[in-house]
Amino acid sequence: EVQLQQSGAELGKPGTSVKLSCKVSDYNIRNTYMHWVNQRPGKGLEWIGRIDPANGNTLYAEKFKSKATLTADTSSNTAYMQLSQLKSDDTAIYFCAMATYGYWFAYWGQGTLVTVSS
Amino acid sequence: DIQMTQSPSFLSASVGDRVTINCKASQNINKYLDWYQQKLGEAPKLLICNTNSLHTGIPSRFSGSGSDTDFTLAISSLQPEDVATYFCLQHNSGWTFGGGTKLELK
Repeated sequence: EVQLQQSGAELGKPGTSVKLSCKVSDYNIRNTYMHWVNQRPGKGLEWIGRIDPANGNTLYAEKFKSKATLTADTSSNTAYMQLSQLKSDDTAIYFCAMATYGYWFAYWGQGTLVTVSS
Repeated sequence: DIQMTQSPSFLSASVGDRVTINCKASQNINKYLDWYQQKLGEAPKLLICNTNSLHTGIPSRFSGSGSDTDFTLAISSLQPEDVATYFCLQHNSGWTFGGGTKLELK
């Protein structure tokens, strides 16, 4: 069964960076896109971007182009997202998501809470 | 970028009611529209992909319809376990979520 296991909650100070991970079991991430989505407290879902782990090609939503950096390590079957220059507005739950076919999000990680506070 | 306008934002209905939720795209997205259900404290769950294809294990009371710019998620007979927030997602050009519809029991 395909599973996405995300790293634990992060507490970051304003102006610093955090790096989140998403380890995939039972599916080779070379064969799919890995996506990242956020959800601010009490708000809706926002698509951040996706990476093609086979070649490192990335696509970002416009508002996240200078905020998020997506990478992937195919040897460990893990996707990463680094969030830089943290602000209080970055406080949110961050999900990774993927599909085994098509472009929808059939599988989701459990989410990582990032709290930005001094 | 494609914008997705979802309505209503909030919906209150009784068990057994037929419920519909709408998403409107700012431009033609063909059939590339999915629906997700998110219960409190959980990750979203895929219900329907490509407008009307029911995902594995999803009850048949859920259905999707529409094309081009206008899409609808229907629940034929609302059950207590359907209380959740529902989101649409377009993947015709990049990916964009709708704003969500919070569904509660009357």
